[in-house]
Amino acid sequence: GQQLNQSPQSMFIQEGEDVSMNCTSSSIFNTWLWYKQDPGEGPVLLIALYKAGELTSNGRLTAQFGITRKDSFLNISASIPSDVGIYFCAGQNRGSNYKLTFGKGTLLTVNP
Amino acid sequence: NAGVTQTPKFRILKIGQSMTLQCTQDMNHNYMYWYRQDPGMGLKLIYYSVGAGITDKGEVPNGYNVSRSTTEDFPLRLELAAPSQTSVYFCASTFGTTTNEKLFFGSGTQLSVL
Repeated sequence: GQQLNQSPQSMFIQEGEDVSMNCTSSSIFNTWLWYKQDPGEGPVLLIALYKAGELTSNGRLTAQFGITRKDSFLNISASIPSDVGIYFCAGQNRGSNYKLTFGKGTLLTVNP
Repeated sequence: NAGVTQTPKFRILKIGQSMTLQCTQDMNHNYMYWYRQDPGMGLKLIYYSVGAGITDKGEVPNGYNVSRSTTEDFPLRLELAAPSQTSVYFCASTFGTTTNEKLFFGSGTQLSVL
């Protein structure tokens, strides 16, 4: 099956710093999504990307759908303590019954 | 609006016991999914359903069974619990009416098999 490689596995940053994480795939996806998971909760959708090359923002978050359709990145600007959590990338293809393939996640820790 | 509701939140089972993880959604979504999350491994699809009466296997279905008798409910059954099934289980749902659909997740069931 399709595999997603997400990096880095974990990050420790100071409040106010910018963060960047990325995801690469062995094959193409039609849709890329970024989810955040808080401790003890399910993943919550942050950003969805539908077109190759698309750049989308949601507040301090910016994500891009790679031109090759095999990668995506997520940037968080001016991090704050509540950004702590696990960030997952996920790919979705048409005709797949909307099933998601997930990366292994990036654990973000923000030191106040 | 409750969204996707999972019960129980936590459960400890002995090897060989059985149990059902409950999932219900009140958004009239057609598609429902069960994922398991192991530490550092992301989420893996166990089973999914495209509508009442229709279910299909995902990536890691062994040891599990599902049913979908109504649009709202999608229970996951473990018949003979094994330590390898210790994990956090997430149910998700989506409408499935457009080309690209976002999945909404429940808050999870943490299961330990000892």
